[in-house]
Parts: sequence; C-alpha cells; structure tokens
Amino acid sequence: GNSVTQMEGPVTLSEEAFLTINCTYTATGYPSLFWYVQYPGEGLQLLLKATKADDKGSNKGFEATYRKETTSFHLEKGSVQVSDSAVYFCALNIFNNNDMRFGAGTRLTVKP
Amino acid sequence: GAVVSQHPSRVICKSGTSVKIECRSLDFQATTMFWYRQFPKQSLMLMATSNEGSKATYEQGVEKDKFLINHASLTLSTLTVTSAHPEDSSFYICSCGAGDQPQHFGDGTRLSIL
Repeated sequence: GNSVTQMEGPVTLSEEAFLTINCTYTATGYPSLFWYVQYPGEGLQLLLKATKADDKGSNKGFEATYRKETTSFHLEKGSVQVSDSAVYFCALNIFNNNDMRFGAGTRLTVKP
Repeated sequence: GAVVSQHPSRVICKSGTSVKIECRSLDFQATTMFWYRQFPKQSLMLMATSNEGSKATYEQGVEKDKFLINHASLTLSTLTVTSAHPEDSSFYICSCGAGDQPQHFGDGTRLSIL
C-alpha cells in the first residue's frame, strides 16, 4: 500500500542551525509529495510540494527534492529560526486515488 | 483567507452524546472531502472519503454506523460521531482537494468525551 515514513522527533535545534527531516515513501503509481506544517494552535498548511521525480519544492527557505531512486523527499533548511518551531508532516497523494497519506509528523523546536 | 471552514473547533460533552462536525468549502466546489482523525502524537489517519450526493467510502477499521458522514452539497460535509465515548476523544480534521492538487484543510475539531 501507500505509506510515508518520517523521521521521529522531537528535533531541537539552535537558531541558524541546519535542518534535515527525513521522509521516505512507499507507493504504487506515481505520487505527488508534500510537506505540511502545523504551527502551534493552527491547522495544517501546505509548505511545499513536488509532483514528479527530480522536482524540487521550495518555500520560506525550506527545500525538498523528489528522489525516485531512493523514494525520499527529505526536508531541509539552511538556517532555522525560532518562528520555524512547528510540527512538520510529510505526505503523498496518488492522483487517481485522490487521498493523502501522512507521515507521523516531526516536532521541531528552535531555541534562540 | 481560509478556504475551508470547520466547526466547532472544540467540543466537550458527556459520554453517549452525538456530536456533529461541519466542514465547509468557502471558495470552491468540493465534490470530494476527506475526514481524518489524529490521535495524540500520531499522524492524521484517513477515516473516510465523502463524495457529494453519494455514500461515503470508509477506510478499513472505521465503523460506518459510528461515524456518519453526509455530503449533501458541494460546499458542506458533516461528520457525526454517534453515541460518543471517551475512546472517541481525538482531533478530527477535514480537507478538500481535487486530483493531485494540495488539499486545503480545516482547522480541526478537538473532541473530548467525558
């Protein structure tokens, strides 16, 4: 079946540190891949996406590259800020099935 | 602004009560809506796919008679937790989307059954 495996948290970093949150997937077909972010007290928001192999999604300094050969979509940011503290969800969507599968979420805390 | 409105945001009620959660798409017509459930420290799990004008499709392990879903119009889907018990306490969230487009999520409903 379709599933997403995400690096377990929590992750605690100092401000300006480099961030990587690993995400790998299993899918039948050709999924689109997403990273969602959930800030404290808020609903999920789309952070970035990639719809085909080798695509790179980017937003707010975050990047993730769709790697078909390693079935991965790792999230990276070169210099995190306190305001990046949130829970990050990796997800996939199979077009024909039209539903989302989420990873478990990774809680990131950035300390000043 | 928000494209999906979910209400209520929080419900606290006694065991045995039925609770209805509404999910409205504000800026578009949603032929399909999704209902998720999130247990503490766990991922969102898809409960059911709601199709306008037809019966919902439930995921394995989700009780159809327990979680009633109605999608009567292109802008409204409701989830009713019937005769709720403490084990039904959870975070419920709806979303709307089409094809491989990213889904828009409601803000979720935190249900607490005493």
